[in-house]
Amino acid sequence: AQSVTQLDSQVPVFEEAPVELRCNYSSSVSVYLFWYVQYPNQGLQLLLKYLSGSTLVKGINGFEAEFNKSQTSFHLRKPSVHISDTAEYFCAVSETGGYNKLIFGAGTRLAVHP
Amino acid sequence: DVKVTQSSRYLVKRTGEKVFLECVQDMDHENMFWYRQDPGLGLRLIYFSYDVKMKEKGDIPEGYSVSREKKERFSLILESASTNQTSMYLCASSFLAGGKETQYFGPGTRLLVL
Repeated sequence: AQSVTQLDSQVPVFEEAPVELRCNYSSSVSVYLFWYVQYPNQGLQLLLKYLSGSTLVKGINGFEAEFNKSQTSFHLRKPSVHISDTAEYFCAVSETGGYNKLIFGAGTRLAVHP
Repeated sequence: DVKVTQSSRYLVKRTGEKVFLECVQDMDHENMFWYRQDPGLGLRLIYFSYDVKMKEKGDIPEGYSVSREKKERFSLILESASTNQTSMYLCASSFLAGGKETQYFGPGTRLLVL
């Protein structure tokens, strides 16, 4: 069965510093991978997704993620964060690509400090 | 602009009450979803609907039912609310175009069961 582990529940960082939010998955088959962001008091918004092709995926708001099949990881990165990036970030995996089969990680709360 | 709206942002109910959570999308999407979001657990799918009157159980359907009488509206029903159903409930819709599925989330309903 597939599962997703987000290794950090909270990540504090200073403004303009780089950040990496870690995500590992387990699955016996090929997977599709997603990162979502949830700003305070809002629903989820898709940041980026990996379906196939290039392992480096660029998303919105300057975020990118790299699919590493050998390490079963899909870490999210941003070279310079802003206060407005303060939010909760969710990694998710699907074996079929369909949203009805998404398994979500527990989430990582990114807190950007001035 | 795609809009997924949920009838209430905050709801307080008593144990044993019947609770209706309503979700409406205005973009003629085929698929609609209900998730619950709990700290440390991420999002878990309760029910999924792929067409009017069609539904599929998600990962945690126990204690919930759904109704989809019209394409734009997907209701989540708690037949007899219990305190362990206190949670944030997120609705989403998605459509398939050009072989790609795109999902949109509503802002969420925070339900407290006393």
